[in-house]
Amino acid sequence: EIVMTQSPATLSVSPGERATLSCRASQSVSSNLAWYQQKPGQAPRLLIYGASTRATGIPARFSGSGSGTEFTLTISSLQSEDFAVYYCQQYNNWPITFGQGTRLEIK
Amino acid sequence: EVQLVESGGGLVQPGRSLRLSCTASGFTFGDYPMSWVRQAPGKGLEWVGFIRSKPFGGTTEYAASVKGRFTISRDDSKSIAYLQMNSLKTEDTAVYYCTRRGGIAALDYWGQGTLVTVSS
Repeated sequence: EIVMTQSPATLSVSPGERATLSCRASQSVSSNLAWYQQKPGQAPRLLIYGASTRATGIPARFSGSGSGTEFTLTISSLQSEDFAVYYCQQYNNWPITFGQGTRLEIK
Repeated sequence: EVQLVESGGGLVQPGRSLRLSCTASGFTFGDYPMSWVRQAPGKGLEWVGFIRSKPFGGTTEYAASVKGRFTISRDDSKSIAYLQMNSLKTEDTAVYYCTRRGGIAALDYWGQGTLVTVSS
């Protein structure tokens, strides 16, 4: 099983600033990596797939990068609605696995 | 508009069974693989299992934690995916989400989730 490790567990950032979230895979997942956003009481929402492609309707301030084992989600200028938990997920190998999540909170 | 609506959750005793349903609309259900993902209270996301579309055999994959106890099936004529859960354990307590695996292979649409509580 591929283990996905996200860092940091919690990130405190001020509105308008940039946030950088990391995700590391225990072995290569190529570019088969997605990012999801989850707000309290809501289902997760797909943000990024293929490591760097924004899903439909996702604002341009969200960007993904990386391949192999190291991935990054960057939010260029944080808006109030961006404070949430973010999960990475690999879909290169069975079983599909998620990272443990990064909580993005207001500083 | 794509919609996934889960139903069938509730309180169940350990060792008993429960079947969840996911009713889909807004897309050609039979063309897409479907997955179930769960989230224990206050915890992260855990993938449960997956069913391929019929053109790809309709076969399934499962997480080790549920393999042999859970079964995913689909009825394309009704646009419904099922999660049959047997021999339930307290650690199966979670919100269960139905998801569509899009052509891009990521989970592009999610239902609102249904809570399953396993307790005596």
